[in-house]
Amino acid sequence: GQNIDQPTEMTATEGAIVQINCTYQTSGFNGLFWYQQHAGEAPTFLSYNVLDGLEEKGRFSSFLSRSKGYSYLLLKELQMKDSASYLCAVNNAGNMLTFGGGTRLMVKP
Amino acid sequence: GAVVSQHPSRVICKSGTSVKIECRSLDFQATTMFWYRQFPKQSLMLMATSNEGSKATYEQGVEKDKFLINHASLTLSTLTVTSAHPEDSSFYICSARWGREFNEQFFGPGTRLTVL
Repeated sequence: GQNIDQPTEMTATEGAIVQINCTYQTSGFNGLFWYQQHAGEAPTFLSYNVLDGLEEKGRFSSFLSRSKGYSYLLLKELQMKDSASYLCAVNNAGNMLTFGGGTRLMVKP
Repeated sequence: GAVVSQHPSRVICKSGTSVKIECRSLDFQATTMFWYRQFPKQSLMLMATSNEGSKATYEQGVEKDKFLINHASLTLSTLTVTSAHPEDSSFYICSARWGREFNEQFFGPGTRLTVL
């Protein structure tokens, strides 16, 4: 079966760093995506990891450990506009995306 | 990046009516399009996968006679919610991919359906 877990909600302070974790158990693995979604809008692509290690892109970084079935999204220098839901999605062996429940991040002044 | 549009962005309809939602890939040919449904404060749930020129593949629990999907061309897929009921009220999002092998899915802006 498919099981992707991430925390439901997180709160952080403007300017701080926050790490959003995602653990997965899926039938096959062909990469992991992180998306950002503001309320009432479609998801927007943030990062993609298929090999173990850290991918850095500006203020956002994503890490993957395939052996542990684990990924995290790291957001640095948080801004108020980063308040959104962050979705972890696994591309399985059939090239289909399975989404986790999403983590609602609230950034406070 | 690739652009995917959806129309309408919002629709309100009476119970028992049918609603058609269009998903278009504007600057690429989409071999595969996906339809997702998202209830408030929940994540995206895949409803069906449609490949151009063939029947859609529905996920378990999704009624194919209620959610009709047509992928008539490489740039257009439609989802028709037939005999809509209030419990069908949701955010419907399509995505498109240009190959059958792995590559990124590009998401449309979503359609907010409210059934009265």
